[in-house]
Amino acid sequence: NAGVTQTPKFRVLKTGQSMTLLCAQDMNHEYMYWYRQDPGMGLRLIHYSVGEGTTAKGEVPDGYNVSRLKKQNFLLGLESAAPSQTSVYFCASRSADSGNTIYFGEGSWLTVV
Amino acid sequence: SQKIEQNSEALNIQEGKTATLTCNYTNYSPAYLQWYRQDPGRGPVFLLLIRENEKEKRKERLKVTFDTTLKQSLFHITASQPADSATYLCAQLRGSYIPTFGRGTSLIVHP
Repeated sequence: NAGVTQTPKFRVLKTGQSMTLLCAQDMNHEYMYWYRQDPGMGLRLIHYSVGEGTTAKGEVPDGYNVSRLKKQNFLLGLESAAPSQTSVYFCASRSADSGNTIYFGEGSWLTVV
Repeated sequence: SQKIEQNSEALNIQEGKTATLTCNYTNYSPAYLQWYRQDPGRGPVFLLLIRENEKEKRKERLKVTFDTTLKQSLFHITASQPADSATYLCAQLRGSYIPTFGRGTSLIVHP
């Protein structure tokens, strides 16, 4: 039972490059989220999805795009990376049932130079 | 909008003592309050959930309380151990797809 898996775990990008972070969950969860976590800032929501084929903006969506073509996958894209996007990115998922335990991935460390 | 506030200062305690962490919310009462543990370099891991109509929940050495009058949840770790050292996050969810997290409080248990 893998839970929530993120790839890659570490990546260094040059300013202006693009990349995609992949999140996969094997729990058949409806909701999926992408957060970034910076020192002293806590978890900030970038984008989220409430089901296959749906996405919505969170608190800090600028510079990112997402897609959820399959229920188990939630992709986060950076079209033109900037140093301000250096951060740790966490994917999370939860079921639509009440109770709503949130399951997180192990994080993806991204450095933009 | 709803805010979840946690003490940003680290809590330092001696091994064997009870650690108490605080989570305050600003507006409406959440349907659920959740507590997560986050170790350095890892994702948060769920610990406990307490519902709006519950006053207390326990799991082994952990206890969570929910006071809707004070708009506060307290998270207790009894007989604390150095292995309990981590950052603890509070989160709320009510009528929304989006959970709101506090910034977390770092707990350091000294041997």
